[in-house]
Order: sequence, then structure tokens, then C-alpha cells
Amino acid sequence: DAGVTQSPTHLIKTRGQQVTLRCSPKSGHDTVSWYQQALGQGPQFIFQYYEEEERQRGNFPDRFSGHQFPNYSSELNVNALLLGDSALYLCASSPNRGRAPLHFGNGTRLTVT
Amino acid sequence: DAKTTQPTSMDCAEGRAANLPCNHSTISGNEYVYWYRQIHSQGPQYIIHGLKNNETNEMASLIITEDRKSSTLILPHATLRDTAVYYCIVRVRETGTASKLTFGTGTRLQVTL
Repeated sequence: DAGVTQSPTHLIKTRGQQVTLRCSPKSGHDTVSWYQQALGQGPQFIFQYYEEEERQRGNFPDRFSGHQFPNYSSELNVNALLLGDSALYLCASSPNRGRAPLHFGNGTRLTVT
Repeated sequence: DAKTTQPTSMDCAEGRAANLPCNHSTISGNEYVYWYRQIHSQGPQYIIHGLKNNETNEMASLIITEDRKSSTLILPHATLRDTAVYYCIVRVRETGTASKLTFGTGTRLQVTL
């Protein structure tokens, strides 16, 4: 049984560009959340999706948006990239609308130059 | 979510028990204590959680004080593969807020030969 899978694993973008990151949750999981982890810091909550709607959002600007598909997979979109957006982006999934412990993927390393 | 305080780093000899403390003096009655760890270049991994009773699973034991203001994660026989950053997190376990984990900077555990 595959766990949480994220693609791509690494990405390099230029300031001002847009990026889309993808996540497939663990089988049987209906809730997906996204986290940003800057170097040397703990992960920071971006937002959570279930039933294809954003349910909760952390302190991130509107440049960060997402989507959840009927098969529970999810995308994270970041517009107008800034150098400070360089980070590890982690996707986590859980069953039962997020009440169970989260399972994390190994992340996408985004570098903005 | 209640704030947690953990030591920045700890060392442990391989084969010995690793005891990782966490203070959460402002924890509310409906908040659980969760532990995750993050091995270098991987996503966080769930270890264990509890409300007020001590808990044990195949990975670790969690000891919560009677007043619930602090807890200790115990790895009974640490190995080199347990070298990681360990995060203690408290959160309310309910729909809508459950996915939001507030990570601190964690404890960097170094297991040595």
C-alpha cells in the first residue's frame, strides 16, 4: 500500500513564475493538508481540504491556492513566486475528515531563483 | 493550540533509552499530546499520541503527568536510525481543526555508537 506520494521531488523556478505541486493521499484517506517547511524550521500549516473544499487555512497569502479532486488527490498552486517561497512543501493525508494522525509525504523541494 | 517547550537537542547512546521531555503547561482539557519525528530529507512521521493516560505502541511510550502539563516520549532502545528531530504537538482532535498541526522547532536527537 503506497503512502502519500508527491511530485515532483525537486523543482527550480524563477521569481515571478507560477508553480503547481501534486499530492496523492494514502489509500482510504479523504483529507489532505499542505505544509511549508523553511530550512531549519518546523513545518507551517498552509491549508486543509476535504470534500473538495478548503476547510481551514493558515497565515499564508492568497498567492497560495489549492484544489482537491474527487479521487482525493490535491494540488498546491503558488503564483508570483518570491525568493522567500523557497522551501520544502509537504503534503499530509488522513482518514475520517482529519481526526486521525496525519501521514506525510517526503515533500517537494522548491527553489526560487 | 497550546504552546509546547522542548530542549533544542539531546544525545543518546545506541541501545539505551531515549527520554524526550515536553512542557505544555497551558494545555486544555480537550487537547491531545502528539509526537512526530522527522528524519533528514523525509516528511514527519507519526509516533504516538495520548490524552491523559500513558500510551505504548511498537515505536515508543508516552508518559503524561497527572496534571497534563508535561509529557515524556520514551524510545526504549534507541538505534542510529532514531536520529531525527522530534516534535511534541498539542491539538484539539475534532473535525475542521484536526489537520492543523502547530510545529515548534523540536528536539534534535542524536544517537551515537
